[in-house]
Order: sequence, then C-alpha cells, then structure tokens
Amino acid sequence: QVHLVQSGAEVKKPGSSVKVSCKASGGTFTKVTSYAITWVRQAAGQGLEWMGGIVPIFGSTIYSENFQGRLTITTDELTTTAYMELSGLRPDDTAVYYCARDVSGEMTYWGQGTLVTVSS
Amino acid sequence: SYALTQPPSVSVSPGQTARITCSGEILSKQHAYWYQQKPGQAPTLIIYKDTKRPSGIPERFSGSSSGTTLTLTISGVQAEDEADYYCQSADNSVTYHWVFGGGTRLTVL
Repeated sequence: QVHLVQSGAEVKKPGSSVKVSCKASGGTFTKVTSYAITWVRQAAGQGLEWMGGIVPIFGSTIYSENFQGRLTITTDELTTTAYMELSGLRPDDTAVYYCARDVSGEMTYWGQGTLVTVSS
Repeated sequence: SYALTQPPSVSVSPGQTARITCSGEILSKQHAYWYQQKPGQAPTLIIYKDTKRPSGIPERFSGSSSGTTLTLTISGVQAEDEADYYCQSADNSVTYHWVFGGGTRLTVL
C-alpha cells in the first residue's frame, strides 16, 4: 500500500514562491518502472486542474502550458519525496495542491492535499 | 489541447440509477478514468481504462465508452454516493499530459 504524505499549509505573498513536498512510503516510486508523480490543484469550489508531472524512469518532467515558466517538479530518490515549486504566485494560485501516483493516467494514490493561500 | 465536457449536475433519488457523461474528441483514442471526490477529501479513483473497477469500489459503479462519450453509471444510488465526479483523459497523444472534465455534482434527493 502506497501512502503519499504532503507538507503542511502555506501562506504566501504575491510574487513569492512555494514548494510543496510529497513523500511516498510503502514503496519507492523510483523503483517501479511505470510510476510517475502528478500534481493537480483545486481552487475553492472549482474543479481539478492538471499541473504537470515527473516520470522518474524517463528522467523527464511534463508541464501544463498554463504553468510554463512558473512550475518546477523534482524528486529526491534518497528520501522518496517529490516536490512541486510554483513561482510568481498570484492570488488566483490559492488552491489545494495534490500529488498523486500516476501509472499512465491511473491515479490510484493521492496525497492529502496542501492548501496554499496567496494573500498580501 | 483537448477538452472534456461533463454536465454540472445530476440529481437522482436513492435506489435509482445515475448516469454521468463525459464527452471529448480524445476519448475515441485514449483511455479515460473516473474519480469521486467528497468534500474536504482527495479524489478517489473509481473507474480506470474506461470500464475497469479498482478493488474495493462497489459493483454499483460501472463505466462504459462509445466513440467520444464516456458514461459513469451508478446503479442503486445511495446517499453516500453524493459527491463530485470527474473524468480524466489524455490532453493529447503525449503520455502523462492529462486533462480533467469540469466535474459533475451528484445530488441524492
């Protein structure tokens, strides 16, 4: 059973950056050939928005064009942790950010979500 | 990029059958997935690869696909099924590039 545990809520100023972590336990995503980590966000009362993902076996990242230039997704194999860093924060980036284990689109395991609030 | 369209809301009485559709051009070419999300919780995968049900998901949840339309059917709806439902598929033919439908709020009357 895979568990994804995310870091806690953040309050940020407009223009700053936020880095959210997602630690996997019960199996390391770097040891499994088909696992990726995807990040999805959800503003209050809104739907799910795919942001991007990292595919360790390919050593590559894929980003939604909606976040190009602002989003960086990384992983640390030693700690089995994935990170999502979003820069140039705006008030409309206020949302709950989720990580999920992604097997070719099949997202069975999700983190608990991290609320990021952007406010001056 | 491709879009997935869902009805904003569906309402049914307990015991009835709810059907939630998801339409999009990419659905004729790529597999799709359904997620259930209850307030304050992360999404839960309930259907994968159009029609398959993960272990632990009740049999009353089923998925079907026809051309560019996907359908999630909930037979014998229960009060606990009241939630938001999202479809998801590839945004294009690039692997790991995804798009979600806008979501459908299922209300159990």
